[in-house]
Amino acid sequence: DGGITQSPKYLFRKEGQNVTLSCEQNLNHDAMYWYRQDPGQGLRLIYYSQIVNDFQKGDIAEGYSVSREKKESFPLTVTSAQKNPTAFYLCASSKGAQPQHFGDGTRLSIL
Amino acid sequence: EDQVTQSPEALRLQEGESSSLNCSYTVSGLRGLFWYRQDPGKGPEFLFTLYSAGEEKEKERLKATLTKKESFLHITAPKPEDSATYLCAVEREGGGADGLTFGKGTHLIIQP
Repeated sequence: DGGITQSPKYLFRKEGQNVTLSCEQNLNHDAMYWYRQDPGQGLRLIYYSQIVNDFQKGDIAEGYSVSREKKESFPLTVTSAQKNPTAFYLCASSKGAQPQHFGDGTRLSIL
Repeated sequence: EDQVTQSPEALRLQEGESSSLNCSYTVSGLRGLFWYRQDPGKGPEFLFTLYSAGEEKEKERLKATLTKKESFLHITAPKPEDSATYLCAVEREGGGADGLTFGKGTHLIIQP
């Protein structure tokens, strides 16, 4: 079955540490997105990519970095510069005018 | 700046008690309005896309409608399995594939 796979499901970060969240899709979608979800808040866009080797900052990109070396993959790195990284991170993808489809998220916590 | 406001924040209904969720939006040219369902610890699941005022979409006990300023998600005779958080999002015309603007969601609880 086609879909979006995010891993790991749970992740813990130590002070000063960078961590990378994985997002893989086999839907042949061109565009991929990263959102952050905090309790009581709507999803907020971190980064998005419309094609391989190209990506743009969303509304809250500070402290995060991404790469898009393959169509299927869009990993997100949460750097030590992100001072409040505890959140639920969601990856999505879409093709053309189709609606975005989401993975099941990674919950990041601070040790 | 695009804005999406959902109300109420939370809603508790008895099984079979119909109601509506509201999504008010401000966007400089609407390309599409989206409804998603999100279960705890899961990603949002797509329900509907609405493109123009007057449009309606239905799926089982859910019906979504759209005006120029708001959308409603009507739930008819709900069952406990309809309990979830319902998210509304808009995409701006000409925005390309640059992401959606989401509301904070309505947490719906259906009691047996």
